[in-house]
Amino acid sequence: GAVVSQHPSWVICKSGTSVKIECRSLDFQATTMFWYRQFPKQSLMLMATSNEGSKATYEQGVEKDKFLINHASLTLSTLTVTSAHPEDSSFYICSAPPGGADEKLFFGSGTQLSVL
Amino acid sequence: QKEVEQDPGPLSVPEGAIVSLNCTYSNSAFQYFMWYRQYSRKGPELLMYTYSSGNKEDGRFTAQVDKSSKYISLFIRDSQPSDSATYLCAMSAMGGFKTIFGAGTRLFVKA
Repeated sequence: GAVVSQHPSWVICKSGTSVKIECRSLDFQATTMFWYRQFPKQSLMLMATSNEGSKATYEQGVEKDKFLINHASLTLSTLTVTSAHPEDSSFYICSAPPGGADEKLFFGSGTQLSVL
Repeated sequence: QKEVEQDPGPLSVPEGAIVSLNCTYSNSAFQYFMWYRQYSRKGPELLMYTYSSGNKEDGRFTAQVDKSSKYISLFIRDSQPSDSATYLCAMSAMGGFKTIFGAGTRLFVKA
């Protein structure tokens, strides 16, 4: 199957700093990637849709200035959590559809963010 | 009413048991149905993918879709402790619509 690589797996940072998470499609091109947030024992919550070459589409209630998304190439999308606070601590996951349509999704391994 | 309903469990079974996981949905436009397995603190892994109605089998896993009842199932035969994970159902409509995920069912297979 298609491979999506996500880095880092774990990050611990101080409150007020910014953290960047990378999501790469290794063996296919992804014009669209998705970013999710997951709290313990809960399902995936879609945060935003990352579009190559254009602005990301954010879900209702997600602060676009807090969660900056950049999709500069067909294989890389980044999520930057700006001025992180303890309430931003969560598990962040990206995904991409190799077929180009929002159906069969392949996920990265996730990033556990802990803000002290 | 949520678009996709899935019992969060937990579901605990002995090793070797047949496991049945289910989801119901309300949107008749859904055409693509997926099951993902997620281990703790890992990204979901695509297990089964079905387009429209019918059955699909892959090793110990069988996925069933009944569009008339808006009901999908995943069966795991000869369950193993390594199957202990959270299983997420997911579905989407044609035309690039968003994938909707169930809440996930936590499964524990006891040795």
